[in-house]
Amino acid sequence: EPEVTQTPSHQVTQMGQEVILRCVPISNHLYFYWYRQILGQKVEFLVSFYNNEISEKSEIFDDQFSVERPDGSNFTLKIRSTKLEDSAMYFCASSEAGLAVNNEQFFGPGTRLTVL
Amino acid sequence: GESVGLHLPTLSVQEGDNSIINCAYSNSASDYFIWYKQESGKGPQFIIDIRSNMDKRQGQRVTVLLNKTVKHLSLQIAATQPGDSAVYFCAETAGGYNKLIFGAGTRLAVHP
Repeated sequence: EPEVTQTPSHQVTQMGQEVILRCVPISNHLYFYWYRQILGQKVEFLVSFYNNEISEKSEIFDDQFSVERPDGSNFTLKIRSTKLEDSAMYFCASSEAGLAVNNEQFFGPGTRLTVL
Repeated sequence: GESVGLHLPTLSVQEGDNSIINCAYSNSASDYFIWYKQESGKGPQFIIDIRSNMDKRQGQRVTVLLNKTVKHLSLQIAATQPGDSAVYFCAETAGGYNKLIFGAGTRLAVHP
């Protein structure tokens, strides 16, 4: 069964450093998403991406965040200068179509980001 | 280590019993709702969804009920099994938007 994969599974970084979290969405999917989950809290939407551009973003997704689909398979989330409060589990998701047509979002296993 | 942040409500059930997990959603304009299951160390896994033009939908061992009048969603799991132990989140979205808004979650603990 096709699945969303994410690397690395755990990333430890120093405050102020840049990190890139990588995702490989399911191959025929056209919509891509990043969510985050601070330990013990609910999952929060960060950004959605379609047709090589951001379609929606939350207030969390400020200028320190960016997303890119550098090739036909990868989808990346970059945090330019990490802060302690960026420590969280980051989930990538993808869907074949948008939610307006009841399309399920498939989630990856997540990358745990720890900022020291 | 200890968890920080919100303390999740926990529902404890005996194996074989039926479970009912409830969720109150916030946006009266939301028209699509999904229940996700999250096991420890894993991403959310789709269980079942429902559109706002329905009030009930059944899957395999699971049923979702939607009450738009009071903005309430519930997930019923029949004959709960140890493998059902996880945190369950409801999520909502309004038409034309692709972001999921997740609820706070409920931990389901199934005891043999």
